[in-house]
Amino acid sequence: GAVVSQHPSRVICKSGTSVKIECRSLDFQATTMFWYRQFPKQSLMLMATSNEGSKATYEQGVEKDKFLINHASLTLSTLTVTSAHPEDSSFYICSAEPRAETQYFGPGTRLLVL
Amino acid sequence: EDQVTQSPEALRLQEGESSSLNCSYTVSGLRGLFWYRQDPGKGPEFLFTLYSAGEEKEKERLKATLTKKESFLHITAPKPEDSATYLCAPHGNGKIIFGKGTRLHILP
Repeated sequence: GAVVSQHPSRVICKSGTSVKIECRSLDFQATTMFWYRQFPKQSLMLMATSNEGSKATYEQGVEKDKFLINHASLTLSTLTVTSAHPEDSSFYICSAEPRAETQYFGPGTRLLVL
Repeated sequence: EDQVTQSPEALRLQEGESSSLNCSYTVSGLRGLFWYRQDPGKGPEFLFTLYSAGEEKEKERLKATLTKKESFLHITAPKPEDSATYLCAPHGNGKIIFGKGTRLHILP
């Protein structure tokens, strides 16, 4: 149990385009999901907390107009990177809590912006 | 400011050679401490949650322990398939803070 999926697993796009990443909890419902970004050999950095039916909570320094989060159902959250630039290239990982204080992570999405 | 430091950054062991990974943390209102395993290009895989000082948890060749300032991940008689990055993540003040991890490489 507690499986989290992400799609796509990797994406290459041109600078200026937008990219949508999906995060799904496959065998449980999650009112809260989390989005992280990880650069090579660095720790996971929390970007935002996605709340079902309400606005996401963004961490300091994360542009909410650039990283749009939608949590439309109890099993799906999406992250859209708008007007992507090469510096947005990173590994994006989502997580969800099947029970309090235990996060399970998706397999990650590798984004490369050319 | 909440901080977490993992050491060593990288560790190479021979198969069967036991060792320990360290996680030092300063977190207000600690609610728990997580250990994850992460393979290259993949998301973290949950291993353990520790909630209070003195607590220990085991899973196969891994054992995690917790004190008020540190957590240790002991690996006994490791195998090459245990090679991965091990992440420590204390949970406090409503968020989880990840360390940079220890890259463990087990040589056959």
